[in-house]
Amino acid sequence: AQSVTQLGSHVSVSEGALVLLRCNYSSSVPPYLFWYVQYPNQGLQLLLKYTSAATLVKGINGFEAEFKKSETSFHLTKPSAHMSDAAEYFCAVTSGYSSASKIIFGSGTRLSIRP
Amino acid sequence: DVKVTQSSRYLVKRTGEKVFLECVQDMDHENMFWYRQDPGLGLRLIYFSYDVKMKEKGDIPEGYSVSREKKERFSLILESASTNQTSMYLCASSLSGKVSYEQYFGPGTRLTVT
Repeated sequence: AQSVTQLGSHVSVSEGALVLLRCNYSSSVPPYLFWYVQYPNQGLQLLLKYTSAATLVKGINGFEAEFKKSETSFHLTKPSAHMSDAAEYFCAVTSGYSSASKIIFGSGTRLSIRP
Repeated sequence: DVKVTQSSRYLVKRTGEKVFLECVQDMDHENMFWYRQDPGLGLRLIYFSYDVKMKEKGDIPEGYSVSREKKERFSLILESASTNQTSMYLCASSLSGKVSYEQYFGPGTRLTVT
């Protein structure tokens, strides 16, 4: 069975500070990993995804994530936070072989940015 | 531009009513999904469909049913709405064939059952 754990339901950083959102996964087969972002009153949109091509993945809006198999982690980082980064972030995993590509989502981390 | 639309952004229904939530995608995707989103629980899969007239139960199908008569449309039905079904409902779609294909989400329907 697959699962995702996001450490910290709420993270607050100052504008310009490093953003680090933590995600650990469990999967018995090689995983595919995603980070999605949800801005207020909107659906989710893809930030980035890991598909085994490279362990360091760059996404939109300056975010990146590193796949670490030994630590079963896929933490999301951004060097300098911007006010517009305030949103909820979801880590997700899939390794299913069905055509439906079911994804398991974490419980989410709400990111707040202090001026 | 990729588009998933949901019929309502906000909906208020009474206990016992039959509720229909509609989702339409214009990307010719084979797969469509219905999730509910609750604080602290993330997204939980209710049902998904990998082809017209095909459906499979997700993690929390009780109290819900779905219909997919056309490729672009996936409907979620609450047969007899209850207060514990008050939630945000998100529809998504994706291509078939690769597990790494991302899901595209609609804006969500916030349903309140009173």
